[in-house]
Amino acid sequence: SYELTQPPSVSVSPGQTASITCSGNKLGNKYVSWYQQKPGQSPALVIFQDNRRPSEIPERFSGSNSGNTATLTISGTQALDEADYFCQTWDSRTVVFGGGTVVTVL
Amino acid sequence: QLRLQESGPGLVRPSETLSLTCTISGGSINSSSYYWGWIRQPPGKGLQWIGSLYYTGSTYYNSSLESRVTISADTSKTHFSLKLTSVTATDTALYYCARHVVEAAAAVDVWGQGTLITVSS
Repeated sequence: SYELTQPPSVSVSPGQTASITCSGNKLGNKYVSWYQQKPGQSPALVIFQDNRRPSEIPERFSGSNSGNTATLTISGTQALDEADYFCQTWDSRTVVFGGGTVVTVL
Repeated sequence: QLRLQESGPGLVRPSETLSLTCTISGGSINSSSYYWGWIRQPPGKGLQWIGSLYYTGSTYYNSSLESRVTISADTSKTHFSLKLTSVTATDTALYYCARHVVEAAAAVDVWGQGTLITVSS
């Protein structure tokens, strides 16, 4: 079965750029979505189709996908961006999630 | 604004069958643009897709759970359900119902609030 691999944690200083990677075999040939989950809340979609943002998501969230790696980038990271982030794709008629990355803003 | 709401028993005994229902408000399953699915999250852990349903009645399941899972819709097409048989403690999790966008590689654009299911005697 297809697997997506994320780093367990990423730390970033306020105002700096956070990059979260998601790796999978030939992932660049698939669409990737990203979700943000804060404690006690349902996940929320922040990026779909590799680099598209839902209208309510701030411009500081962006995505890319090439080769075997997709990346979620948070520019000008704010304290409220501290959360768990999950990548997701669709392979062979199954939904696949990455294991998640904890982003700490300190 | 479409909303999803899970309902279920909260506590299930080991070896029994877990049954959950998702109520769709502001829409229905009858759309070629979406799948309707279930995703769970064990306490303190990541997301695990359980399976999804298409308006045609086609279903897609996680291979690791397929032998125990059934997802179906009711005739009104405003509710869909999850049945998971022979549950064990490892099935304890927060269970979400979700809407997936077909053309966006099943991106989940709408999530329910989740319902906590505990498997314990």
